[in-house]
Amino acid sequence: DTAVSQTPKYLVTQMGNDKSIKCEQNLGHDTMYWYKQDSKKFLKIMFSYNNKELIINETVPNRFSPKSPDKAHLNLHINSLELGDSAVYFCASSQYRGENEKLFFGSGTQLSVL
Amino acid sequence: QKEVEQNSGPLSVPEGAIASLNCTYSDRGSQSFFWYRQYSGKSPELIMSIYSNGDKEDGRFTAQLNKASQYVSLLIRDSQPSDSATYLCAVTANAGKSTFGDGTTLTVKP
Repeated sequence: DTAVSQTPKYLVTQMGNDKSIKCEQNLGHDTMYWYKQDSKKFLKIMFSYNNKELIINETVPNRFSPKSPDKAHLNLHINSLELGDSAVYFCASSQYRGENEKLFFGSGTQLSVL
Repeated sequence: QKEVEQNSGPLSVPEGAIASLNCTYSDRGSQSFFWYRQYSGKSPELIMSIYSNGDKEDGRFTAQLNKASQYVSLLIRDSQPSDSATYLCAVTANAGKSTFGDGTTLTVKP
């Protein structure tokens, strides 16, 4: 009965590889996000989708490509991984956008690029 | 200047004391303010939201908002060791993008 689930939990890979992280929410929310948390705990938004439509695309290298096949799923594909991509990536969802944007986070994917 | 700033911490308080966590923000158009708690190795979890000036209480937690001073705080009364975590302040404007502070790590010592 997990609300926001993402897989895998851990991802260890070599520089230059391509990897994907999957996210699913069963809360019926219309909006989903990808956040990146660095080693200093700073949480920064990367992308936001509302009902499968991309609405926020922060300054993220175009090696990162989100895809939302339906409003319950939001995946993140990363090409040509670099050392600096090592971080924890959180998927989140929200029932509302704007001023009542309460975020529900998945358990995170710890990405380590060697 | 960072959009959302929190007292850098770490903050250590004895069990039973009041823990005070502070946050300032730069965007005067900000509408909504949230506190998330993040245990080590876990995901952030929403614990408080506040939208208008004043205090909002929920159990041992009180959020305080002063829009004129662009300041929001979280007070934890009767702190327990289980409150030990990183607390993240988040601010949202109408555009619907939550901006987070760097977080304050709280340790409650038995």
